[in-house]
Amino acid sequence: EVRLVESGGGLEQPGRSLRLSCGASGFNLEDYAMHWVRQVPGKGLEWVAGVSWNSGYKGYGDSVKGRFTISRDNANGAVYLQMNNLRSEDTALYYCAKDIEAGFNALELWGQGTVVTVSP
Amino acid sequence: DIQMTQSPSSLSAAVGDGVTLTCRASQTIHNYLNWYQKKEGKAPKLLIYGASGLHSGVPSRFSGSGSGTNFSLTITSLQPEDSAIYFCQQTYSASTFGQGTRVDI
Repeated sequence: EVRLVESGGGLEQPGRSLRLSCGASGFNLEDYAMHWVRQVPGKGLEWVAGVSWNSGYKGYGDSVKGRFTISRDNANGAVYLQMNNLRSEDTALYYCAKDIEAGFNALELWGQGTVVTVSP
Repeated sequence: DIQMTQSPSSLSAAVGDGVTLTCRASQTIHNYLNWYQKKEGKAPKLLIYGASGLHSGVPSRFSGSGSGTNFSLTITSLQPEDSAIYFCQQTYSASTFGQGTRVDI
């Protein structure tokens, strides 16, 4: 079965760090770009970060540049989001998503998400 | 950075109606434009990629058009299950989502 499973969310204080993980199964991870997208309850979707198939290109949304880092481990079927210097506005449901190709194109497969709450 | 603006912010229509949602980019994105359907409590679902490509398994009543800076998503013969929020996304330069259009049936 083709699926993505996010983990690593939870409650953390402002200024601290969290690392989200995304486990991929049922397809060759190395053939596709991967992304993180978040949604604050009741709000829209926000693209957080993306990484090309071989990590040659990484992109970030303006609100997380310099604080978040996306990485991938194709051999172990995983994608990560290192979140540093967390802010209250980072509180959201974080989705991992698979692209339809090796570079940035369209997000065809999504996980169910992991919740991040940033609060004192 | 590229900004995406969707209109209208919401609309209401009846079963069987046709509707058109629009998405405008702040600069040209060629055809790097995708459309997603988002229902409460569910992950987003890809409908249209590359401005006009129908994703596998998506009903043919959904169609996309446009290029450059102006794009549209048309839903013909609305069904009850089409009630959702629809988002556009550009992937020409990094990526950005529009703010969404809520469609109530």
